[in-house]
Amino acid sequence: DIQMTQSPSSLSASVGDRVTITCRASQTISTYLNWYQQKPGKAPKLLIYAASSLQSGVPSRFSGSGSGTDFTLTISSLQPEDFATYYCQQSYNTPRTFGQGTKVEIK
Amino acid sequence: EVQLVVSGGGLVQPGGSLRLSCAASGFTFSSYMSWVRQAPGKGLEWVSAISGSGGSTYYADSVKGRFTISRDNSKNTLYVQMNSLRAEDTAVYYCARGYGSGTLSGAFDIWGQGTMVTVSS
Repeated sequence: DIQMTQSPSSLSASVGDRVTITCRASQTISTYLNWYQQKPGKAPKLLIYAASSLQSGVPSRFSGSGSGTDFTLTISSLQPEDFATYYCQQSYNTPRTFGQGTKVEIK
Repeated sequence: EVQLVVSGGGLVQPGGSLRLSCAASGFTFSSYMSWVRQAPGKGLEWVSAISGSGGSTYYADSVKGRFTISRDNSKNTLYVQMNSLRAEDTAVYYCARGYGSGTLSGAFDIWGQGTMVTVSS
């Protein structure tokens, strides 16, 4: 199985901050990497697919980059509604696997 | 409105069975579909997927041989039959559209609201 490791596991940031979350795969996955946002008690929401493609309706302050084993999710200017947990997920092979999550909290 | 509505969760004893349903509306129900679960306070775990025709199915090792995914395209409904349930199967179960790499690179783009399954005596 491909292991996905996110860092950090949690972070504190202020509104307006630039936030970067990294995700590393245990083997190369090309650009088969997706990012989700989850708020408490809610289903996950797709933000980025294929490493860098913005899902329809997602604000442009979210962006993704990377290929191979190392990937990044960036929020250019953190907004109040962005405080949530973020997960990366590989769709390169079976079983599909997720990172452990990064919780973004208010400083 | 595009939506997935999940039903069928509840409390079941260890060794028992449960069937979850996921009703789709607002989009063409011909895509790969998946089940993803989340244990209380934990991260996301992909459980199973099925092709649009139902001819191909995929399972996580943790549920292989105990869970069976299926679909009824005439009813726009996805199912998972869960047998021999264990305490470690306790989780919120979500259905989601996606898995096949040909669409959105295999991402899960539509999610149901989830249903809680509790396995306890």
